Amino acid sequence: DADVTQTPRNRITKTGKRIMLECSQTKGHDRMYWYRQDPGLGLQLIYYSFDVKDINKGEISDGYSVSRQAQAKFSLSLESAIPNQTALYFCATSDARTPDNEQFFGPGTRLTVL
Amino acid sequence: SQKIEQNSEALNIQEGKTATLTCNYTNYSPAYLQWYRQDPGRGPVFLLLIRENEKEKRKERLKVTFETTLKQSLFHITASQPADSATYLCAPRGYGQNFVFGPGTRLSVLP
Repeated sequence: DADVTQTPRNRITKTGKRIMLECSQTKGHDRMYWYRQDPGLGLQLIYYSFDVKDINKGEISDGYSVSRQAQAKFSLSLESAIPNQTALYFCATSDARTPDNEQFFGPGTRLTVL
Repeated sequence: SQKIEQNSEALNIQEGKTATLTCNYTNYSPAYLQWYRQDPGRGPVFLLLIRENEKEKRKERLKVTFETTLKQSLFHITASQPADSATYLCAPRGYGQNFVFGPGTRLSVLP
């Protein structure tokens, strides 16, 4: 089984709808992140969390919210989706105890807002 | 504001040659720098990390250098193979809470 899973993998929705993307991990990591990726722009950090009671905004948090329901679960919500939120969304985890502090990414969710 | 640039959006090289990818950053001083590989439609995968007090790091056919005075890292793949074709992302990281990535360089190794 994959260590970092994302659901759904693909989603098409309409402008104004509320959307939730979910991320779960079995790695036992304390840190979790949400990124979006647009062609030519690379990965942009939306939100990150260092533990269940810690939530921090990233570079592009406007229009998004998150919830850290448990150490293993981190959800991203688009309160009222708009077309320019069409992108590939990645969840990632990391362990503060590892010396390289590498991030482990999920398979991604492709979101299309019409 | 912090800015990360990678030498070119795309790089084509012949199989067997050495690929050299460049990462330049401005307006901050990272304590270490990571390199990731990303295949189309998939999440990035960590490859290597180099710290500010290290000049060079090697792993199999991969070599990374870190020139803090130039604010630059070079990533080399020697004896390149078509299977090395992917997008490579650099991620200069500080002790602060920045988890940003460069835009990536798409490498194509031609047989």
